[in-house]
Amino acid sequence: TQLLEQSPQFLSIQEGENLTVYCNSSSVFSSLQWYRQEPGEGPVLLVTVVTGGEVKKLKRLTFQFGDARKDSSLHITAAQPGDTGLYLCAGVHNGVIKAAGNKLTFGGGTRVLVKP
Amino acid sequence: ETGVTQSPTHLIKTRGQQVTLRCSSQSGHNTVSWYQQALGQGPQFIFQYYREEENGRGNFPPRFSGLQFPNYSSELNVNALELDDSALYLCASSSRGEQYFGPGTRLTVT
Repeated sequence: TQLLEQSPQFLSIQEGENLTVYCNSSSVFSSLQWYRQEPGEGPVLLVTVVTGGEVKKLKRLTFQFGDARKDSSLHITAAQPGDTGLYLCAGVHNGVIKAAGNKLTFGGGTRVLVKP
Repeated sequence: ETGVTQSPTHLIKTRGQQVTLRCSSQSGHNTVSWYQQALGQGPQFIFQYYREEENGRGNFPPRFSGLQFPNYSSELNVNALELDDSALYLCASSSRGEQYFGPGTRLTVT
């Protein structure tokens, strides 16, 4: 069974501070995705990382995929209250039927609270 | 907004009852995946339907079943409800790639 562990489970910071969320697995995934989920809504895809060592930036968010493609991190610079939410990493499994969508194994999530 | 809709929004059932949850996929998407998200946890994959056929299943008992219709909308059925089935049920539609999630159905079993 492929499992993803996220840490920390909860993070509370002041506006303007930086934060890092970690996602670790004992298995290799073909790619890894990061989602943000707000109350009453489904997860929304932020980024997909595919290549070991890859770094992607999305405004103040920086995503890194480990060299061995087993771990990833999400770093937020100068966090704002609008960054508050549940951050989920998900390992992507390619299905047998390529035309069908991928299957996702999610981590437990990191709840981030940015106080003004 | 992703264009994926789910109904109902909330539902309260009694242990032992049966429930049907519905999902309308985004236009042009032929794959629907269902996930269970318990409070404070990440979503867990239940199963996926591609062109009306089941295309993979997670570690859920047979009392969790599903259907996909010719218009690619989908149903999740759960029989003999247990207290631990209380969760947010998410569906996601996709076509060859990124999954787009609906807002979920919050099921409470008492």
